[in-house]
Amino acid sequence: DQQVKQNSPSLSVQEGRISILNCDYTNSMFDYFLWYKKYPAEGPTFLISISSIKDKNEDGRFTVFLNKSAKHLSLHIVPSQPGDSAVYFCAASERFSGNTGKLIFGQGTTLQVKP
Amino acid sequence: NAGVMQNPRHLVRRRGQEARLRCSPMKGHSHVYWYRQLPEEGLKFMVYLQKENIIDESGMPKERFSAEFPKEGPSILRIQQVVRGDSAAYFCASSPGGGAYEQYFGPGTRLTVT
Repeated sequence: DQQVKQNSPSLSVQEGRISILNCDYTNSMFDYFLWYKKYPAEGPTFLISISSIKDKNEDGRFTVFLNKSAKHLSLHIVPSQPGDSAVYFCAASERFSGNTGKLIFGQGTTLQVKP
Repeated sequence: NAGVMQNPRHLVRRRGQEARLRCSPMKGHSHVYWYRQLPEEGLKFMVYLQKENIIDESGMPKERFSAEFPKEGPSILRIQQVVRGDSAAYFCASSPGGGAYEQYFGPGTRLTVT
């Protein structure tokens, strides 16, 4: 029962262009969504989050969009840089509903940014 | 400003041995989460602990796995009688509170069972 899905295992973009990573979820109780970046042999690093009361959140080159009706979120990276090459995980939780806050992760998307 | 620390970074155990994984949360954090990442998969929640209490163990296998977070010292994830299927990366995350806070991850312990 995969509650959070990242259907694209990999994505390749040219340096300077936009990277768009997608994530779908099935649990309507999720009210908080996060994106993590992970390099090999390291732990996930928090990138950006969004709560369900918003539909957009920006932080520098990173923007997350949330479409609650479609149960879909996306991460936009503009402009993409070679150092952005990593595995990106989408995660969700029932943060504000009194739940323990455990994160449910997608399978990850490997982003390669070519110079 | 030390982040989440995990040790050992790599652990090799033979089938049937015990594995002990340690996690020291960030300074000021009293909430610890353990996740497991099997090859080619995302991270899967295992257990959530506060000091001296297990709050949510809904992701823990029913047998051989246990976790603790004592009043003093690191959190420990213990796997008894390891099997090949336990080979994975185990990540610890800490937060200053429960569900309402971001979780910050350690570098992980890569367990290999031979």
